[in-house]
Amino acid sequence: SQQGEEDPQALSIQEGENATMNCSYKTSINNLQWYRQNSGRGLVHLILIRSNEREKHSGRLRVTLDTSKKSSSLLITASRAADTASYFCATVVYNQGGKLIFGQGTELSVKP
Amino acid sequence: KAGVTQTPRYLIKTRGQQVTLSCSPISGHRSVSWYQQTPGQGLQFLFEYFSETQRNKGNFPGRFSGRQFSNSRSEMNVSTLELGDSALYLCASSLFVETGNNEQFFGPGTRLTVL
Repeated sequence: SQQGEEDPQALSIQEGENATMNCSYKTSINNLQWYRQNSGRGLVHLILIRSNEREKHSGRLRVTLDTSKKSSSLLITASRAADTASYFCATVVYNQGGKLIFGQGTELSVKP
Repeated sequence: KAGVTQTPRYLIKTRGQQVTLSCSPISGHRSVSWYQQTPGQGLQFLFEYFSETQRNKGNFPGRFSGRQFSNSRSEMNVSTLELGDSALYLCASSLFVETGNNEQFFGPGTRLTVL
């Protein structure tokens, strides 16, 4: 069974707008990671945030983590058509090595 | 550095057959994990190997098995295939697993279709 849920399931925006995706999870975590997947291909790692961190930036990406609410959000600023993809959050639980537990994903469509 | 490679990329089998999928991790990476992706169940963890030892196993039947070789390459095997095994099988490698605090690099996947 999956660790958590993502919302929205689908998001359609115009180029230049910001996109925000949310992820909730159920158990205590070691870290939370975000991945991108283009059309049923391999996953690309975007960012990792540890359980003792609250916010992290990488280029146009901003991730926040609220362990008290067991939730995270991914913000993509100034989106581009090339950002069109599915985005997944994945959690790593303590003492389970590198096992990733994925959410169902958010399908982002950025229209030019 | 070459990325994670998976072979074959596409595979068509019939029910009852068995299949072996192969994964070569990034050079220097000693941890390999496998995931199954289907439209209905999403991305689900199959196994994790480190230094030829299975460190973690997901909730899949015994028909799913895997192994890792001394050069860190990994194979997974599915015996007595069922229609529901049709999926994209993804392999991921990382440097180590002890803390889990490292990113995983995914291969392009093997698309298995069971007829």
